[in-house]
Amino acid sequence: AQSVTQPDIHITVSEGASLELRCNYSYGATPYLFWYVQSPGQGLQLLLKYFSGDTLVQGIKGFEAEFKRSQSSFNLRKPSVHWSDAAEYFCAVGGMEYGNKLVFGAGTILRVKS
Amino acid sequence: KAGVTQTPRYLIKTRGQQVTLSCSPISGHRSVSWYQQTPGQGLQFLFEYFSETQRNKGNFPGRFSGRQFSNSRSEMNVSTLELGDSALYLCASSLRDVEETQYFGPGTRLLVL
Repeated sequence: AQSVTQPDIHITVSEGASLELRCNYSYGATPYLFWYVQSPGQGLQLLLKYFSGDTLVQGIKGFEAEFKRSQSSFNLRKPSVHWSDAAEYFCAVGGMEYGNKLVFGAGTILRVKS
Repeated sequence: KAGVTQTPRYLIKTRGQQVTLSCSPISGHRSVSWYQQTPGQGLQFLFEYFSETQRNKGNFPGRFSGRQFSNSRSEMNVSTLELGDSALYLCASSLRDVEETQYFGPGTRLLVL
């Protein structure tokens, strides 16, 4: 069965500092991996996705993620955080055989201090 | 182009009642998925409809049902509401398969008293 673990419930970083949000997945076949962001009272917005090919994926808003099959990880990174990045971030896994069903992690709340 | 719209945005019901939520996907999108988001259980997949057929179903009781119309608009229904059904219900639409981006609506916040 699919599962996603985001070990950090909250993370606080200073504005301008680098960011890494961790995500580990469990999936029997080749996973499709996603990072979404949710601002308070809003729906989810896709930051980036990985299906195959280059394991370093570039997304919107300056985010990137690296797929590491050996570690079952798909960590999200940003070199310099802006105050507007404060939100909740969700990692998700899907696969061809599950249609559009995604399994989400519990989320990581990012706080940015000035 | 217009995004995914969900109506109503907020809803208050009492235990035992039933509720119907509506989702209008982005024009041209044929897949609509529904998720329940709660503080305790997080985001959980309810079901997915594609071309008016349920393609996938999550692990929810039969009180939760859905349907999709020929114009791809979707509704979900919850019968015999329980306090634990209080949640944000999100719908997402995409063109067809998981390789295509799923766009989420703002959600319907349901409070069951």
